[in-house]
Amino acid sequence: GAVVSQHPSRVICKSGTSVKIECRSLDFQATTMFWYRQFPKQSLMLMATSNEGSKATYEQGVEKDKFLINHASLTLSTLTVTSAHPEDSSFYICSALLGAGANVLTFGAGSRLTVL
Amino acid sequence: AQSVTQLDSQVPVFEEAPVELRCNYSSSVSVYLFWYVQYPNQGLQLLLKYLSGSTLVKGINGFEAEFNKSQTSIHLRKPSVHISDTAEYFCAVTAHGSGNTGKLIFGQGTTLQVKP
Repeated sequence: GAVVSQHPSRVICKSGTSVKIECRSLDFQATTMFWYRQFPKQSLMLMATSNEGSKATYEQGVEKDKFLINHASLTLSTLTVTSAHPEDSSFYICSALLGAGANVLTFGAGSRLTVL
Repeated sequence: AQSVTQLDSQVPVFEEAPVELRCNYSSSVSVYLFWYVQYPNQGLQLLLKYLSGSTLVKGINGFEAEFNKSQTSIHLRKPSVHISDTAEYFCAVTAHGSGNTGKLIFGQGTTLQVKP
């Protein structure tokens, strides 16, 4: 079945540094990917919609300069957390639709970011 | 806008007992409904989806759900749970429309704790 791969699964960084998380569709092309954020013991919140070849669409309240999203190819979207702070520590999960007209998301395994 | 309410934050149950996880939603437009399961430090796995048609939806791992339009609910059920079913369960909704499918609104999650 369709697989979405995220890397790294865990990352620890110092405050003020930037961290990049990759999301790849392994056996299908994803023109659109979605980035979600999940705080401990809480639900998932949509951060942004990543569109291949164009700018991402951010949800209200999400700082686009803080969370840079790049979707340079049909199989790769990246989320860069810039100048990370401890409050950015979270579980970040990407997802993708299998194709145009698809109505089910496939989720990656998530990336746990810890900012010291 | 849509919203989802999962009525129980935690559901403890003994192994081989039946279980029901409750989910209510609100929306002014037609929606698709989903149930996902999340194991610790992992992404989300689709259990089942309701798009249209029969109100009884069969999912994976022996789960099923009953969609009730008048009560705006889609409760998840399993007749006999296993220890391996211990996980977090999320109900999610998205509005019909080609631009909305990836924009899932999640409930707060229900922790299913299966005891031996």
